[in-house]
Amino acid sequence: GENVEQHPSTLSVQEGDSAVIKCTYSDSASNYFPWYKQELGKRPQLIIDIRSNVGEKKDQRIAVTLNKTAKHFSLHITETQPEDSAVYFCAAALTGGGNKLTFGTGTQLKVEL
Amino acid sequence: DVKVTQSSRYLVKRTGEKVFLECVQDMDHENMFWYRQDPGLGLRLIYFSYDVKMKEKGDIPEGYSVSREKKERFSLILESASTNQTSMYLCASSPNNRPGELFFGEGSRLTVL
Repeated sequence: GENVEQHPSTLSVQEGDSAVIKCTYSDSASNYFPWYKQELGKRPQLIIDIRSNVGEKKDQRIAVTLNKTAKHFSLHITETQPEDSAVYFCAAALTGGGNKLTFGTGTQLKVEL
Repeated sequence: DVKVTQSSRYLVKRTGEKVFLECVQDMDHENMFWYRQDPGLGLRLIYFSYDVKMKEKGDIPEGYSVSREKKERFSLILESASTNQTSMYLCASSPNNRPGELFFGEGSRLTVL
């Protein structure tokens, strides 16, 4: 089955700096890579996703890049703000193959003032 | 707004008890999932269902079973609860046209004594 590894497990940045979270996946057939954000005490929510036919996607301050050859993808947050503090999860899936998402172990991002 | 409702936010059970966790979604989503969330381990898939009366094992199905008699409802059953099943349980649903976009419930924190 799919295995997703995520690094780092914790990340502390100063407000205004950039943050990068990296994930690798094992199944070359996976074709969908979402990122979820979970604020303290709340449910995970989808913040951005990318499909295997695209190398990069941006949405305001967040961007995701995908390297299919190396089987890794990354989340980039620019101009970080305190409200970006949360746990971020990457995931991988083969859509149409049971729609099963395999998640990484999460990154605790702390944005310090 | 999609709403995924889990019946119990907090439960305390004794070893050997049978436990039912109920989940209801109101957006007519085809896919439903049960994950458990543990610190440092991320979100691990227990079971999922892509149609009524259909179920598929996830990555950690041992000790669990599920039931999906109606499209909107997906139940997780612990036949004989054990202390290592103490965890946060998250239900999620997704539509077939965006199968990777999971909408999560608020979670059920189960403690097995």
